Amino acid sequence: EDQVTQSPEALRLQEGESSSLNCSYTVSGLRGLFWYRQDPGKGPEFLFTLYSAGEEKEKERLKATLTKKESFLHITAPKPEDSATYLCAVTDTGRRALTFGSGTRLQVQP
Amino acid sequence: DAGVIQSPRHEVTEMGQEVTLRCKPISGHNSLFWYRQTMMRGLELLIYFNNNVPIDDSGMPEDRFSAKMPNASFSTLKIQPSEPRDSAVYFCASSLAGPTSPLHFGNGTRLTVT
Repeated sequence: EDQVTQSPEALRLQEGESSSLNCSYTVSGLRGLFWYRQDPGKGPEFLFTLYSAGEEKEKERLKATLTKKESFLHITAPKPEDSATYLCAVTDTGRRALTFGSGTRLQVQP
Repeated sequence: DAGVIQSPRHEVTEMGQEVTLRCKPISGHNSLFWYRQTMMRGLELLIYFNNNVPIDDSGMPEDRFSAKMPNASFSTLKIQPSEPRDSAVYFCASSLAGPTSPLHFGNGTRLTVT
């Protein structure tokens, strides 16, 4: 059974203070690792897909990286509008639907 | 595109009543997923359809839950009879080509069973 563990559970940053969120996974043959952002009262919004170790993707202040055991979401010089819950999810070679982690709740203070 | 559309946004019902949640996926997407989100358990898959056929329903809690996808543009999730432990936010999502394609989520239905 696929497992995804995210840390920390919650993170409070000052505007401009860079940091990283961690996603550790156990999966029988990784087909894809996904990062989503979820705002209160809304559904998760897709950010990135990573398929193989060493791969990196960037979007504005966010950069996602992948190793064989974990993924990091780096946030550079965050702004208050980056405040949200960030979810990590994996799918495997059995093509099962995404297994999600419990998320990291990020708060960026001005 | 309007995105994935779910209805109703909120549902409050009494224990024992039947509840039906509805979802319209993005046009052209061939896969549809129902997830449930709670504080305790996070996002859990209930069922996944590909080309209107259920592929994985291992997450459906028990016989009280049923899901249908009569055509490519509509799906329902029914709970009968409902119980207080079913209270959660239920999300529908669709993707272009199975679980390896990005999922596009609706804004969910918040269900409260009293």
